[in-house]
Amino acid sequence: SQQGEEDPQALSIQEGENATMNCSYKTSINNLQWYRQNSGRGLVHLILIRSNEREKHSGRLRVTLDTSKKSSSLLITASRAADTASYFCATDDYKLSFGAGTTVTVRA
Amino acid sequence: EAEVAQSPRYKITEKSQAVAFWCDPISGHATLYWYRQILGQGPELLVQFQDESVVDDSQLPKDRFSAERLKGVDSTLKIQPAELGDSAMYLCASSLALTGTTDTQYFGPGTRLTVL
Repeated sequence: SQQGEEDPQALSIQEGENATMNCSYKTSINNLQWYRQNSGRGLVHLILIRSNEREKHSGRLRVTLDTSKKSSSLLITASRAADTASYFCATDDYKLSFGAGTTVTVRA
Repeated sequence: EAEVAQSPRYKITEKSQAVAFWCDPISGHATLYWYRQILGQGPELLVQFQDESVVDDSQLPKDRFSAERLKGVDSTLKIQPAELGDSAMYLCASSLALTGTTDTQYFGPGTRLTVL
């Protein structure tokens, strides 16, 4: 079963703009992870945020976690064409449960 | 940089036939996972190994699917007989995490299965 739900399902932005996607989940978690998947390929790990952390940065990525609202967000700043991909959140209680993903298209 | 290897990359088969997928994890990774990803959905865990032992196969359809990791290194996932609904991407991942811990999972490129 898939616990995380991403919103929106799809997002189209202009190069240079920021992209924000959200993830909601139902039950308590230990950690939450975000992954990226380019079309027809495997997933690439982006960020792991632990349940006692509220915000984490990695390059142009910023992830927040609100355990009281059971939600997380991923912000990509100054987007590039290479950021075009599907982004998945995965709740982590020592077993990953992925949502259906947000498909991001960055227009040149 | 070390990668998870999978083969074949693409497989087309007819229903009722047997298919097998192979995965070679990153060297030293004790934990290996097989996921199924249906188009438009996120990956779903089928089976998790720690070394050669199955840790979780609760979502593996055991009437037709089997998985093994005999020497605790590479792994094979088999489907027999294949059904139309098995058409999906089959992803293998590996991790340094041991049972009861968490860590980054490294994914292979996947095998896209089409059942006709």
